[in-house]
Amino acid sequence: DTEVTQTPKHLVMGMTNKKSLKCEQHMGHRAMYWYKQKAKKPPELMFVYSYEKLSINESVPSRFSPECPNSSLLNLHLHALQPEDSALYLCASSHENDRRPGNTIYFGEGSWLTVV
Amino acid sequence: GQQVMQIPQYQHVQEGEDFTTYCNSSTTLSNIQWYKQRPGGHPVFLIQLVKSGEVKKQKRLTFQFGEAKKNSSLHITATQTTDVGTYFCAGDSNFGNEKLTFGTGTRLTIIP
Repeated sequence: DTEVTQTPKHLVMGMTNKKSLKCEQHMGHRAMYWYKQKAKKPPELMFVYSYEKLSINESVPSRFSPECPNSSLLNLHLHALQPEDSALYLCASSHENDRRPGNTIYFGEGSWLTVV
Repeated sequence: GQQVMQIPQYQHVQEGEDFTTYCNSSTTLSNIQWYKQRPGGHPVFLIQLVKSGEVKKQKRLTFQFGEAKKNSSLHITATQTTDVGTYFCAGDSNFGNEKLTFGTGTRLTIIP
């Protein structure tokens, strides 16, 4: 079982829809992440929030909009997606980046997104 | 940018045989982490290696970090059906986690 909870587990949306993916962790972690994973590929980093501020955006298209309402929550707002955006979206968290070894990343179970 | 490659891409082994996956980075890493992802599941952290030449064991799994901190390996002794999944290494050039780069992964299937 993972301590990072993602909802919904499955989402089918049309290209004109607006939807959101949600993520929650209660481990006191101050870094939260969104990754995208296509079938048979490794996870690709999309966004990193550190202390509720966006610290990394890996040149993600603006149709993906992250939001960190508080230290426990992370959202990914989706609008005008394309079929090629269909993938597994993974949320993750870790202790604050204090440059010490041992900060592991805890992944949620993911949200399977299909864009039709 | 940093690239992390793994070989082989796929490995099919008879149950009971050994398995090894190799991870190579284009840049020197501060640490290497290994994750396992079961089919239909999410990546689960296995271990982190930090020191040059470090070797760690977890039951039947042996992890190594190269002397130059640019490569790593995972060896499984006497595979079992529960070992099925994709094994990813992940590394970063700084000590933080913020920008981990995942390797291409090795998918292990077990023939009973």
